[in-house]
Amino acid sequence: SAVISQKPSRDICQRGTSLTIQCQVDSQVTMMFWYRQQPGQSLTLIATANQGSEATYESGFVIDKFPISRPNLTFSTLTVSNMSPEDSSIYLCSVEGMTGGGGGYTFGSGTRLTVV
Amino acid sequence: AQTVTQSQPEMSVQEAETVTLSCTYDTSENNYYLFWYKQPPSRQMILVIRQEAYKQQNATENRFSVNFQKAAKSFSLKISDSQLGDTAMYFCAFMKAVSGGTSYGKLTFGQGTILTVHP
Repeated sequence: SAVISQKPSRDICQRGTSLTIQCQVDSQVTMMFWYRQQPGQSLTLIATANQGSEATYESGFVIDKFPISRPNLTFSTLTVSNMSPEDSSIYLCSVEGMTGGGGGYTFGSGTRLTVV
Repeated sequence: AQTVTQSQPEMSVQEAETVTLSCTYDTSENNYYLFWYKQPPSRQMILVIRQEAYKQQNATENRFSVNFQKAAKSFSLKISDSQLGDTAMYFCAFMKAVSGGTSYGKLTFGQGTILTVHP
């Protein structure tokens, strides 16, 4: 299955600033997914990133707040823009773990973001 | 839209004992996949076990097994011979099968169950 390197692992940021999170995969993947996990909560999908096209955002998430880049089949970034304390969460990227149907998904190790 | 419900916010078990975590889901789909993920304090999401809805046989991975009841839309996880390293948050997840059998669908997660294994 794929191996994902996610950076940074954690950061403390000032409100009003932006943070870019990177995910590098050791193999080519069609889709990459970005999730948010608020403190003590479950994972919520932010958007799906497909190489060569704009990301598809879920209800409640907008491109201006969470711009995503997907320049090639092994890399993606998520930016959290104009941050407020409500953005304090764990952000995780994910890719399909293996080819074929329902193989399960592999996750990055997550980025713990604290906005002060 | 699919929903996944985990009705047990917290569970605890003694080391070497067996524990069952509950999960129910609601969907109108016939082809889908179900997963259990484990998230220890390191926050790394780890796939524990997966089940294809079209398979009647319950999935098993070493000490982990599921009881998949498609008609009841129930998907419980049984952990046998619990170990201290099993202490984690466990998430049940649903994914609709995309046409052609590919898995490029999005995961819908339950609220999670915190499992604590006591020595």
